[in-house]
Amino acid sequence: ILNVEQSPQSLHVQEGDSTNFTCSFPSSNFYALHWYRWETAKSPEALFVMTLNGDEKKKGRISATLNTKEGYSYLYIKGSQPEDSATYLCASINQAGTALIFGKGTTLSVSS
Amino acid sequence: KAGVTQTPRYLIKTRGQQVTLSCSPISGHRSVSWYQQTPGQGLQFLFEYFSETQRNKGNFPGRFSGRQFSNSRSEMNVSTLELGDSALYLCASSPRWSGQGSGNTIYFGEGSWLTVV
Repeated sequence: ILNVEQSPQSLHVQEGDSTNFTCSFPSSNFYALHWYRWETAKSPEALFVMTLNGDEKKKGRISATLNTKEGYSYLYIKGSQPEDSATYLCASINQAGTALIFGKGTTLSVSS
Repeated sequence: KAGVTQTPRYLIKTRGQQVTLSCSPISGHRSVSWYQQTPGQGLQFLFEYFSETQRNKGNFPGRFSGRQFSNSRSEMNVSTLELGDSALYLCASSPRWSGQGSGNTIYFGEGSWLTVV
């Protein structure tokens, strides 16, 4: 059974701080890693889909890295803003034709 | 382009009843997946449909079932409702199913909140 873990569970930062979260997943038979942002009362929004070891992706102030050999991904937010407050989910898929397995998420709260 | 649409958004049912939730995927998307979110749990995969065929199934009892129609719209049904079925049910769509390429982004609806009393 694929087990995806995220840390920390929650995080509170001040506006302007940079922060990062961790997603760990079994490295065997790795296929793809997804990151989502989920704001309250909205639908989860896809941020990145990452497949290659060493992959780095960036979207505005948010970036992510992937290490498939050791089974972890980091999500970075540079200069956090109140609108970044959300739950960030990662999900892994371990081989073609299987479903995404989600972690429980990291909830970020940014104070102005 | 319209997003993933789920109906109803909120509903309350009594134990023992059954419920049907509906999902309309993004136009052109042929894969629909369903997830359950309960307090303290991550998104739990229920099933995935593609071209009217169930491609994947999660670890849920047989009371949970689904189907997909020729227009890619999907429904999920829960029979003999239990209190523990109270949850947010999310539907997601994508152009391909999970077996067709690793870079397959899925797009979520806003969910249906089910309360069982």
